[in-house]
Amino acid sequence: AQRVTQPEKLLSVFKGAPVELKCNYSYSGSPELFWYVQYSRQRLQLLLRHISRESIKGFTADLNKGETSFHLKKPFAQEEDSAMYYCALSGLQGAQKLVFGQGTRLTINP
Amino acid sequence: NAGVTQTPKFRILKIGQSMTLQCAQDMNHNYMYWYRQDPGMGLKLIYYSVGAGITDKGEVPNGYNVSRSTTEDFPLRLELAAPSQTSVYFCASSDQPSGANVLTFGAGSRLTVL
Repeated sequence: AQRVTQPEKLLSVFKGAPVELKCNYSYSGSPELFWYVQYSRQRLQLLLRHISRESIKGFTADLNKGETSFHLKKPFAQEEDSAMYYCALSGLQGAQKLVFGQGTRLTINP
Repeated sequence: NAGVTQTPKFRILKIGQSMTLQCAQDMNHNYMYWYRQDPGMGLKLIYYSVGAGITDKGEVPNGYNVSRSTTEDFPLRLELAAPSQTSVYFCASSDQPSGANVLTFGAGSRLTVL
């Protein structure tokens, strides 16, 4: 079974401080992992996916298969990063379903 | 370019009433999904469809029904509404299985059952 765990419901950091949003997963096959973000009054949208190995808005995430983690990191938080962040997982082999974690609400304090 | 359109945006129902949440996409996507978002619980998949005429249950299908008569539309029906169905409902679509491509989400429909 697929499972995604985000242990922190709320995370608050000061502007300029480093940010790490934790995500752990459980999946027996090869996973495809994503981070989705929902800014205030906006639609849920993709932030990044591990297969692209890219940095979006200064955020990066590395898939660690040994620790089954996909933590989202940014070295210097900005106020506009305040949002709800969801980690999500899908199987690579013909899967059609995306499983989401519980979400972490990130607040960046000025 | 509308993307994924959901109606209504807000609705209050009484216990036992029925209603349909509408979802339409204009991107010719084969894959469509209905999620519900509860505080602290993340998004849970209710139903999904891989193409017109084909639907399947997700994690939490009880109390809901769907149909997919066209590629564009994927309505979600609530029969005999219950307070436990109070939630924000999101429709999403993609042109490939969600593991291979990203989902485009609608703006959401906030439903309250009293």
